[in-house]
Amino acid sequence: GENVEQHPSTLSVQEGDSAVIKCTYSDSASNYFPWYKQELGKRPQLIIDIRSNVGEKKDQRIAVTLNKTAKHFSLHITETQPEDSAVYFCAAPGGDTGTASKLTFGTGTRLQVTL
Amino acid sequence: DGGITQSPKYLFRKEGQNVTLSCEQNLNHDAMYWYRQDPGQGLRLIYYSQIVNDFQKGDIAEGYSVSREKKESFPLTVTSAQKNPTAFYLCASSIAGGNREQFFGPGTRLTVL
Repeated sequence: GENVEQHPSTLSVQEGDSAVIKCTYSDSASNYFPWYKQELGKRPQLIIDIRSNVGEKKDQRIAVTLNKTAKHFSLHITETQPEDSAVYFCAAPGGDTGTASKLTFGTGTRLQVTL
Repeated sequence: DGGITQSPKYLFRKEGQNVTLSCEQNLNHDAMYWYRQDPGQGLRLIYYSQIVNDFQKGDIAEGYSVSREKKESFPLTVTSAQKNPTAFYLCASSIAGGNREQFFGPGTRLTVL
């Protein structure tokens, strides 16, 4: 099955700085890489995803990059704001998904944006 | 935050008792999932269902059981065979097909006394 590793486990940045979270995966058949954000006391929500046919995707201050050769992908947040403080999870499906979106999640990164 | 609901929000049980967590969705999604969330361990898949009357084990299915008798509902039973059941449980759903966004419920925090 798929194995996803995520680093760092905690990250503290000053408001306005950039934050980068990195994930590696093991199954070369994985072709979809979502990122979920979980604010304190709330449910995880998808913030961005990337499919294996592209190397980078941006959505305002958030971007994700994918290196299939090295089997790693990263979340980049620019101009961080206090509301970016949350736990972020990366995920990958592995090769055997059937008709469900079965995902293996990373262990999470707690991002703290300080004033 | 409508669409997918879980109840109750907090649940307490005594050791040796089975307990059932509810998950309902009105998003017309075919696929549903149960995850367990523990500090520092991310989200781990317990069971998932691709369609009514069908479900598969995830990575940590031991001590859990599920049913999928209706498209809208995917209840999870935590049995007495689960050695460490105290955790936060999240239910999710998605449309059919791989690599789709999952929509999560608000979660149930189970505490075994």
